[in-house]
Amino acid sequence: EIVMTQSPATLSVSPGERATLSCRASQSLSSNLAWYQQKPGQAPRLLIYGASTRATGIPARFSGSGSGTEFTLTISSLQSEDFAVYYCQQYNNWPPFFGQGTKLEIK
Amino acid sequence: EVQLVESGGGLVKPGGSLRLSCAASGFTFSYYSINWVRQAPGKGLEWVSSISSSSTYIYYADSVKGRFTISRDNAKNSLYLQMNSLRAEDTAVYYCAREELGYCDSTSCYGNYYFDYWGQGTLVTVSS
Repeated sequence: EIVMTQSPATLSVSPGERATLSCRASQSLSSNLAWYQQKPGQAPRLLIYGASTRATGIPARFSGSGSGTEFTLTISSLQSEDFAVYYCQQYNNWPPFFGQGTKLEIK
Repeated sequence: EVQLVESGGGLVKPGGSLRLSCAASGFTFSYYSINWVRQAPGKGLEWVSSISSSSTYIYYADSVKGRFTISRDNAKNSLYLQMNSLRAEDTAVYYCAREELGYCDSTSCYGNYYFDYWGQGTLVTVSS
C-alpha cells in the first residue's frame, strides 16, 4: 500500500500571493499523480494529472511539478475562488490512494 | 455536458442494506470505467470500488470487500453500488467518478485510474 502524505495540513496565504502545496509518496510513482480541488459542499474537481498536465478548463495559475516521490502543486497568484481543500492521488499502483488533503485558507 | 447523478442514499441501521445508483449522461457511458469514492464527514477521500467499461474488471477496497457489490447497466447508462452489512464507519458521502479514458482495443476500453468527472454525491448515514 502506498502512503500519500500532504503538507502542510493547513496553509494560510493572502490573495494575490503564491501558494505551494506538497505531496510525498512512500514509493516511486513515476509521474502518475493527480491533484484535485474540493470546495465545501461540492464534489472534487480534477486539476492536474500526470503530475504536471492541467485538466481541461483549469487556469494557467495552477501548475504541478515533481516525479518519483515528491510532488508540488503551485498556485501562482491566489484568487478568492482558490481557497479550498486540495488532494493528491496516486495512480501508479492499484488501488488508487488519496492524500489526507491540504486546506488552503485566507490569511 | 458530462453529468453523473447519484441517488439512493439515506439513513439505515447498522447491519442494514442500501443500493446506490449513478445515472450518467453526456458521454458514451459504455466506454468508461466508473468508480465509487466516499468521504466521511469532515474527512478525506477514500476510493471504494471500480468497474471497467464492460464489467470485466471489478475491484474493491479491503474495507468493503465482501459487503459491497458494484455493477453497471450500459444499456441504461447507470452504475450501482449494493451495500450490505452496513457499519457506522460506512457513513459518508458517496461519489461516482469517471476515470479518464485511456485507450480502447477490439474488446474493451480502459481508464487511466484518475477521475475527470464526479457526481454531486449522495449521503449514506448508518446509525441506530
